[in-house]
Amino acid sequence: NAGVTQTPKFRVLKTGQSMTLLCAQDMNHEYMYWYRQDPGMGLRLIHYSVGEGTTAKGEVPDGYNVSRLKKQNFLLGLESAAPSQTSVYFCASRSRPYNEQFFGPGTRLTVL
Amino acid sequence: DQQVKQNSPSLSVQEGRISILNCDYTNSMFDYFLWYKKYPAEGPTFLISISSIKDKNEDGRFTVFLNKSAKHLSLHIVPSQPGDSAVYFCAASGRETSGSRLTFGEGTQLTVNP
Repeated sequence: NAGVTQTPKFRVLKTGQSMTLLCAQDMNHEYMYWYRQDPGMGLRLIHYSVGEGTTAKGEVPDGYNVSRLKKQNFLLGLESAAPSQTSVYFCASRSRPYNEQFFGPGTRLTVL
Repeated sequence: DQQVKQNSPSLSVQEGRISILNCDYTNSMFDYFLWYKKYPAEGPTFLISISSIKDKNEDGRFTVFLNKSAKHLSLHIVPSQPGDSAVYFCAASGRETSGSRLTFGEGTQLTVNP
């Protein structure tokens, strides 16, 4: 039981490049979330999903897109990376009746 | 609009003493509160939570207190241990929050000195 896994762990992009971050969970959780963590700002919600095939915007969605084609996977895409998207990205999941979210180990992204 | 605020970026305590981490919120619709602990290069891990129908929840060395009238919660760690050194985030959610999203505070870096 791996819990929540994220791929890749590190990535360096040039401005304008695109990439996709993959989140996978093996706990059969309905809800999944993408956050970014920046110094002094805590975790801010980018997008979330309440079930397969559904997504919704969070607090800071601009510049990102997401897809949830399978219940266990939640993809975060950057179509044209900008230096302001340099951050640590965390994925989380939770089971519907509960409030606790389980987090992945994070992806450290640097955009030059 | 910072709905959940942790005003102390850092806290340093001696091993064996009590650590008290504080958190304030502004949204009166929040009805569930959580504390997460985060070590460097790892994801946050759930520590303890409290529902708004309670004013205290205890789990071993960790106790969370909720003061609804003051919109304030605190995490007490007794006794503090060096392994408790980490960043602590408080988070809140409400029944009316779409997707039961969590709103996080900025975090407090706790350092427990041997």
